[in-house]
Amino acid sequence: AQKVTQAQTEISVVEKEDVTLDCVYETRDTTYYLFWYKQPPSGELVFLIRRNSFDEQNEISGRYSWNFQKSTSSFNFTITASQVVDSAVYFCALSPNTGNQFYFGTGTSLTVIP
Amino acid sequence: ETGVTQSPTHLIKTRGQQVTLRCSSQSGHNTVSWYQQALGQGPQFIFQYYREEENGRGNFPPRFSGLQFPNYSSELNVNALELDDSALYLCASSLGTVNTEAFFGQGTRLTVV
Repeated sequence: AQKVTQAQTEISVVEKEDVTLDCVYETRDTTYYLFWYKQPPSGELVFLIRRNSFDEQNEISGRYSWNFQKSTSSFNFTITASQVVDSAVYFCALSPNTGNQFYFGTGTSLTVIP
Repeated sequence: ETGVTQSPTHLIKTRGQQVTLRCSSQSGHNTVSWYQQALGQGPQFIFQYYREEENGRGNFPPRFSGLQFPNYSSELNVNALELDDSALYLCASSLGTVNTEAFFGQGTRLTVV
């Protein structure tokens, strides 16, 4: 079975604070992809990152960084020095290499207060 | 912008009616997937079309059907609408069936009254 859990339903931070969004996944596949998407109020899902299961290197892109730990089945997302424009719902998703669909978590709604 | 466009953006239908939602995939992409996102939930996979053939289906009843055209655009049809069909319907296009990267449209918000 494939499952993604985002335990944090809502998070509020003050602008310039750092924030980490948690993602835990379950899969029996040995090869899979993990994703983060951002969904602003407009509704479109904006692609942020893809990571395959064999690449546990952490990644940094500007203020965004991702920590993939296979041992704990986690793929956490950190925003450094948060900005009001970061306010959105963030989804973590899993896609097995043998499959053709995303399994999304329930999302974390992030509000950055000016 | 992703290049994936969906129409209409909003729609109100009455229970029992039928609806057709449309999606134009990003240029060069041959695969379209449809997702239903209920309020406060993550998107749920409805089905995927690859080169005009259905290539996998989620846990949705047969009254949810689809088409993909030679230009890879796609339609989602829902018959006998129910109140629980009210949701944001998202279309995603990708190159190939494995989700190495998919680009989503802005969605169609369907309200069934």
